[in-house]
Amino acid sequence: KAGVTQTPRYLIKTRGQQVTLSCSPISGHRSVSWYQQTPGQGLQFLFEYFSETQRNKGNFPGRFSGRQFSNSRSEMNVSTLELGDSALYLCASSLDRGVNEQFFGPGTRLTVL
Amino acid sequence: GENVEQHPSTLSVQEGDSAVIKCTYSDSASNYFPWYKQELGKRPQLIIDIRSNVGEKKDQRIAVTLNKTAKHFSLHITETQPEDSAVYFCAASNSGGYQKVTFGTGTKLQVIP
Repeated sequence: KAGVTQTPRYLIKTRGQQVTLSCSPISGHRSVSWYQQTPGQGLQFLFEYFSETQRNKGNFPGRFSGRQFSNSRSEMNVSTLELGDSALYLCASSLDRGVNEQFFGPGTRLTVL
Repeated sequence: GENVEQHPSTLSVQEGDSAVIKCTYSDSASNYFPWYKQELGKRPQLIIDIRSNVGEKKDQRIAVTLNKTAKHFSLHITETQPEDSAVYFCAASNSGGYQKVTFGTGTKLQVIP
């Protein structure tokens, strides 16, 4: 099976702009989670989707939003970008039978200037 | 919500020595504890996990122990090799929260040849 893919791999934006990141999970995986990774902060949970529904949300402002499509692909949107949003954004997919191993994508490196 | 603390933040060992990374969690409902390894520039990958009905699990040179009473769990790597050099993340979640996984801040392990 193909692994988790994310597009684009790199993005450079300026403050105030918005951005959309995409994640395609492993075939058959219906749960998709998003994480923000910054040096020293580890992986911080943004939100998790299953069957097009957001089931969990982390402690991020409303500028961060997401959605999931019927084919389990997910998108994440950040509006009104701030310098502090510069980070590696990782998505991870998993089977949904309780809590299981998450398979991560390569990430999207977002730089906000 | 869940809080996971991880120590140490950096760890240097001589090749062949053992390495131990410790994590504590706050939510007594957590019942799944994975460990991820992230090599430089790569995505996190699961190396071992343990569920709350088990006290210890071993996979070749890697072992994890869990103390539910004290709410802490540890990763043990024996006979370390240079390829073990990476950042290691512990995490905790509970099946009631589906895939809401809380990660520690990571331990950068350096194995000196």
